[in-house]
Amino acid sequence: QQQVKQSPQSLIVQKGGISIINCAYENTAFDYFPWYQQFPGKGPALLIAIRPDVSEKKEGRFTISFNKSAKQFSLHIMDSQPGDSATYFCAATGLRGGSYIPTFGRGTSLIVHP
Amino acid sequence: KAGVTQTPRYLIKTRGQQVTLSCSPISGHRSVSWYQQTPGQGLQFLFEYFSETQRNKGNFPGRFSGRQFSNSRSEMNVSTLELGDSALYLCASSGGTGPISNSPLHFGNGTRLTVT
Repeated sequence: QQQVKQSPQSLIVQKGGISIINCAYENTAFDYFPWYQQFPGKGPALLIAIRPDVSEKKEGRFTISFNKSAKQFSLHIMDSQPGDSATYFCAATGLRGGSYIPTFGRGTSLIVHP
Repeated sequence: KAGVTQTPRYLIKTRGQQVTLSCSPISGHRSVSWYQQTPGQGLQFLFEYFSETQRNKGNFPGRFSGRQFSNSRSEMNVSTLELGDSALYLCASSGGTGPISNSPLHFGNGTRLTVT
């Protein structure tokens, strides 16, 4: 039972374009929403994160938009570069037992053509 | 600071064998969690340890177990390996001292386990 649905599964964008990845969650108890970037042969690395009391967060070319009522959040990569080619995972973190555990989306493979 | 270190990077085992994977967290981090990553299921939570105590466990069979030592280093063990256990096993540490939701996870580069 997937609690965080991520789309699209794969995305091809031209250099300089905007990459948009969407996630939807079901559990309203989630209260922290990070995005991770993973390059081949490497572990995921935290890219940007947002809490539900904020509708948007921007860090450089990366922006998270958050819609609490729709239970959706998205990652926008502006001016996409070939170096952004990686797999992106959204996650939703909620309290489970004695600690906060993230539930991950299935990932989006992004390819940015030069 | 050194990042999260996982050893070994690659493992090839035969069905029925057991395997132990090791994880050294970032210095000062007391929480260590383990994840299984496969193309079909994505990233799935295995368990989480804090100060040598398992605080949380995911929906995996009892063949998957772990422990954490007093220096926060952690090991996970998989017994009676099955073909379906082939995956990338990721360890992550975080610097949170308690149930803090916004403590970012710092992942290692994983151990690639292949079961034949």
